[in-house]
Amino acid sequence: QLQLQESGPGLVKPSETLSLTCTVSGGSISSSSYYWGWIRQPPGKGLEWIGSIYYSGSTSYNPSLKSRVTISADTSTNQFSLKLSSVTAADTAVYYCTRPSGGDYSDYWGQGTLVTVSS
Amino acid sequence: EIVMTQFPATLSVSPGERATLSCRASQSVTSNLAWYQQKPGQAPRLLIYGASTRATGIPARFSGSGSGTEFTLTISSLQSEDFAVYYCQQYNYWWTFGQGTKVEIK
Repeated sequence: QLQLQESGPGLVKPSETLSLTCTVSGGSISSSSYYWGWIRQPPGKGLEWIGSIYYSGSTSYNPSLKSRVTISADTSTNQFSLKLSSVTAADTAVYYCTRPSGGDYSDYWGQGTLVTVSS
Repeated sequence: EIVMTQFPATLSVSPGERATLSCRASQSVTSNLAWYQQKPGQAPRLLIYGASTRATGIPARFSGSGSGTEFTLTISSLQSEDFAVYYCQQYNYWWTFGQGTKVEIK
């Protein structure tokens, strides 16, 4: 059974870079045709797609966040990561790592991790 | 950006009754539409993809329909575990989500 687990700081200062890692177990992130992605949810609000990475390394990002987002993968540790630069309070959210099936919809989700942006 | 609008924002239903949730896209997304269920403190769970295909393990009381810009999620007979927030998501052009419909006990 595929499992995803987010990890990283729960508190980030404004203007700094938010960094999260997703550890995948029960499957390999380098398996052919798999995508891996990030979605976030501000407290009490709806879901926002951040971006995804294909097993080949190609990436897709939400146009509204593209200038600040980097998603990368490390096949040696079976992890993929999110970096979001120049954060503000508006980036406070629960961040989920997911597996987008065929790049289209997320059939596996991590439990989510709350990241608060505050000084 | 394709804007997804869900209505109603809140739906009050008695256990055993049918619930009908709607989702409208600002432009055609063909059948590239998914539905998720989210309970408090939990990650969303995929219910439906391709507008009408149930995900693995999803009970038959959940059904999806529609194409183009108008979509519906129907829960035929609400069980206690179905009271939650439901989101639609289009994946025809990037990804965008609706703002959610909360299904609450009447």
